[in-house]
Amino acid sequence: GDSVTQMEGPVTLSEEAFLTINCTYTATGYPSLFWYVQYPGEGLQLLLKATKADDKGSNKGFEATYRKETTSFHLEKGSVQVSDSAVYFCAPDNYGQNFVFGPGTRLSVLP
Amino acid sequence: DGGITQSPKYLFRKEGQNVTLSCEQNLNHDAMYWYRQDPGQGLRLIYYSQIVNDFQKGDIAEGYSVSREKKESFPLTVTSAQKNPTAFYLCASSIDAGTEQYFGPGTRLTVT
Repeated sequence: GDSVTQMEGPVTLSEEAFLTINCTYTATGYPSLFWYVQYPGEGLQLLLKATKADDKGSNKGFEATYRKETTSFHLEKGSVQVSDSAVYFCAPDNYGQNFVFGPGTRLSVLP
Repeated sequence: DGGITQSPKYLFRKEGQNVTLSCEQNLNHDAMYWYRQDPGQGLRLIYYSQIVNDFQKGDIAEGYSVSREKKESFPLTVTSAQKNPTAFYLCASSIDAGTEQYFGPGTRLTVT
């Protein structure tokens, strides 16, 4: 079945550092790809998405590029802030099978 | 404002009691989902429904039940058969299956 592998956390960075959270997936067909973010005690929010190969999703300074050849969708941000501290989930979305979330990567940003 | 509401935010029950968690959406979405999240872990799918009066088991359906009598509502019952019910429960909806999901704020259930 479909699966997602994310880099293990927690990831601890200083403010203004560069962030990369790796995500690779296996899925049937050509899924849309999503990153969700979860702040403490809350539900998940969609952060960004990409629907086809080479698409770049972006939001709030975060970016991720759909790499079909490496089946990857790594999340990046050039300069993190304390307010970015959260858990980040990668999720491939194949029609009718959008049920596979990665284990989540906890990010802590220190002032 | 459109969105998904879950109530209550915190719920406490004694072991052996059934408990029902509420999930309502006014986004006019066809598909709805229930997930369970344990501390430090990802989401696991309990049940999902792609249309009114129809639902399917997810990966961990044992000890849970759902109904989908109305498009906007998808309540989850945690039965006494669920061996480890204490967890954070998240409800989500999407326009249809396979599109981006919108999540509620979650219900934290504690069973003692």
